[in-house]
This record gives sequence, C-alpha cells and structure tokens, in this order.
Amino acid sequence: EPEVTQTPSHQVTQMGQEVILRCVPISNHLYFYWYRQILGQKVEFLVSFYNNEISEKSEIFDDQFSVERPDGSNFTLKIRSTKLEDSAMYFCASSITGANSPLHFGNGTRLTVT
Amino acid sequence: DAKTTQPTSMDCAEGRAANLPCNHSTISGNEYVYWYRQIHSQGPQYIIHGLKNNETNEMASLIITEDRKSSTLILPHATLRDTAVYYCIVRVGETSGSRLTFGEGTQLTVNP
Repeated sequence: EPEVTQTPSHQVTQMGQEVILRCVPISNHLYFYWYRQILGQKVEFLVSFYNNEISEKSEIFDDQFSVERPDGSNFTLKIRSTKLEDSAMYFCASSITGANSPLHFGNGTRLTVT
Repeated sequence: DAKTTQPTSMDCAEGRAANLPCNHSTISGNEYVYWYRQIHSQGPQYIIHGLKNNETNEMASLIITEDRKSSTLILPHATLRDTAVYYCIVRVGETSGSRLTFGEGTQLTVNP
C-alpha cells in the first residue's frame, strides 16, 4: 500500500540554524499538509498546500516557516532559525482531494533543537 | 469545526469488541466524522470516516446516530496492537484542503 515517507526520522540541530524536513507524499495525491506534535501534547495543524500555494495556515506557521514542492514529488518544510520550542515531531500528510478524502500521514521527523 | 467530546481513557479485553464513543452535538450538515489513531509517537493512522450512514471497512465499523450528534467506533476483535490513542474528528467536507483538528482523544488499552 502506498505511503507517505519522511526523512530524516530524527534531526538534531542547534538553536538559530535552518532546518529542512522532507516528505514524499503519495504519488497521486494533490493536497499536502504539515502537522507537529510537541512531546505530550496534541497533534497541531501547521499548513495545507495545494496547486503550489498555501491553502490554509495556523497561527503557529509564522514567518520562520515556509513550505515548498520543489520538484513535483517532494514536499518540504523549512524552519529558518530554529528555537528550542520548535523541538517536536513533525508529520507530513497528503490526500487525493481536499473534500471528503482522508489524510494519510507519514511517521514523522523528530526534531531536536539544542 | 464542531468540537468533539471523548472519554479520556478506556480498557478492553483482548478478543472482545472495543466500542469508543464520541459526542459531536454541534456538528453541521456538511461535516464528516473521521476516526484516526496514534500508536506511541507514530503518525496518526486513518481508520474510517462517514457522513450519516454507518460505515464498515477492514479495520472497524462506524455507527452514527440518526441525529448525527454522536458516533461510536467499533473494533470488533481488539488485539494488543490496537492499544493507541483514538481521535474522533469532525471535518468540513465541502472545503478543499480542509484541516483535521485533533483533540485529546481516548487512550484505549487492550489487556491480555
């Protein structure tokens, strides 16, 4: 069964550094999402992306975050200048359409900011 | 999105049916009920979703009351691997790319 894949599984970075998290969505899916989960907390929506632009973003997704689909298969989340509070699991998801189509999640990248 | 209310935790014996309730009394006519689960810190796993009819797939059954104000996820023969946090989520069905908003969910523990 096709799945969403995320790399790396674990990323350690120093505060202030830029980090790029990568995702390969399911191949025929058109909608892409990033979520995060701080340890012990809820899964939180960050951003949705369709047709090469952001569809919706949460208040968490501020100017230090950006997303891109650089080559038609990868979907990336960039954090420009990481802070300690960015430490979390980051989940990528994709869906075929936006309406009435389930999101399928990857197994996440654990980001640790030191 | 309509809010949902789920019990914080539930226990179930291995091999028995697990019935997980969810209240969504403010659900609108165009909102779907989705169920996901999360095992440890893995990515949320899609289970099932429905609008107003009962649904069944290889993983579970979803029973939605006639007034759509509540639903029940049924795992017919729970195994130890079904121990997870189960999330009931109401999502707008007509808006393209609409988000899923996760709550606290129900911690289901399947006991041997």
